[in-house]
Amino acid sequence: DAKTTQPTSMDCAEGRAANLPCNHSTISGNEYVYWYRQIHSQGPQYIIHGLKNNETNEMASLIITEDRKSSTLILPHATLRDTAVYYCIAQGAYAGGTSYGKLTFGQGTILTVHP
Amino acid sequence: DAGVIQSPRHEVTEMGQEVTLRCKPISGHDYLFWYRQTMMRGLELLIYFNNNVPIDDSGMPEDRFSAKMPNASFSTLKIQPSEPRDSAVYFCASSGTSGGRSYEQYFGPGTRLTVT
Repeated sequence: DAKTTQPTSMDCAEGRAANLPCNHSTISGNEYVYWYRQIHSQGPQYIIHGLKNNETNEMASLIITEDRKSSTLILPHATLRDTAVYYCIAQGAYAGGTSYGKLTFGQGTILTVHP
Repeated sequence: DAGVIQSPRHEVTEMGQEVTLRCKPISGHDYLFWYRQTMMRGLELLIYFNNNVPIDDSGMPEDRFSAKMPNASFSTLKIQPSEPRDSAVYFCASSGTSGGRSYEQYFGPGTRLTVT
């Protein structure tokens, strides 16, 4: 898996957008960028993923740079319930790849949303 | 679907005892993963299965750990004998595939294991 680098912690005011960056400069062409989060004492939760196009779902948006070396997860209107550790992971998604199906979790970014 | 189900949610045992953790994946998913989380090492992948067959067990810490998947709806992670350093939260996750591509993983609530 490509190594990802994230800031250790970030703060965000409730109701504002939270923008979480991730660097993955060694990502290979068949690796997707996945974002998961882990709220205290719970199992990790899938948020969103993308290959090279920007993606949006009901939880968040994912912006991937054209060279695919970095990405940003955007929570458009952060709430107190979004306080969690956010993990950015480069995962091989196609059969035959060495990282196929496997997630390698780093330390992630601790996002604290305050009132 | 009820999601990934793990049991027990909490387990306290004495050093040297056998511990068995159980997991029921989401119906229709063909991948199953076992992870361990500690403060020191974070989230680590221990082993994963595809269609009930173990694919990669390189994360299993030592021979005291073993995992089985006798059918598509059940998996176990066994530690025998257990040691205090095995204390951690153990997560099970499952995911599906389509056209050779795997999808997001869904995690269970975890089993908090304490070995005294």
